[in-house]
Amino acid sequence: QSVLTQPPSVSAAPGQKVTISCSGSSSNIAKNYVSWYQQFPKTAPKLLIYEDSKRPPGIPDRFSGSRSGTSAALDITGLQTEDEADYYCASWDTSFSVRFGGGTKLTVL
Amino acid sequence: EVQLLQSGGGLVQPGGSMRLSCSASGFAFSNYAMTWVRQAPGKGLEWVSIITASGLSTYSADSVRGRFTISRDNSKNTTHLQLNALRVEDTAIYYCATSPVTGSRYRNDFWGLGTLVTVSS
Repeated sequence: QSVLTQPPSVSAAPGQKVTISCSGSSSNIAKNYVSWYQQFPKTAPKLLIYEDSKRPPGIPDRFSGSRSGTSAALDITGLQTEDEADYYCASWDTSFSVRFGGGTKLTVL
Repeated sequence: EVQLLQSGGGLVQPGGSMRLSCSASGFAFSNYAMTWVRQAPGKGLEWVSIITASGLSTYSADSVRGRFTISRDNSKNTTHLQLNALRVEDTAIYYCATSPVTGSRYRNDFWGLGTLVTVSS
């Protein structure tokens, strides 16, 4: 069981907006930044968002992140079929470890 | 261009040992912490271990503490993960990844392609 809780799946039509939530606790998200990763089947994860809302070079501004209290969220606007992937949140924990969410499978209908 | 070239992995019996390696290039290796993350077949990502840039501090997940050891050689731009007392549930793809910071601002900027460890009799 993952310490950070994500919905197992979300779906939306092309062009729409989807939000993936990530729920943590006072020992991780409440005190530390959240990063988000995108993973396509049989490939390594890729950094999508770091420090809650920053995008690495090359990541479209359709992807945005936020954090409030013990929760974080990844928003994807203007959905494209190529966005169909698994998405993971992660956060440092006060126990000197890193917590990943269980992952969310995004389906673009 | 950042490259993380992973080696090691394969089939090992329960109770056995294995060493994974990750050779880095394209960035100032000695300035980065390095992380190992694993993914069991069909499952999500699980953080395994991290070593600070200097190598002076390491942290590991409860599930592997006392069995897995992370290390690094900054003169060779390489990090290793020694896996001992392997269990069937350790079967996974193991990824090495860069961590420009540890602590509150933690993230993994770049990832290796992963190497499969299969623990089976």
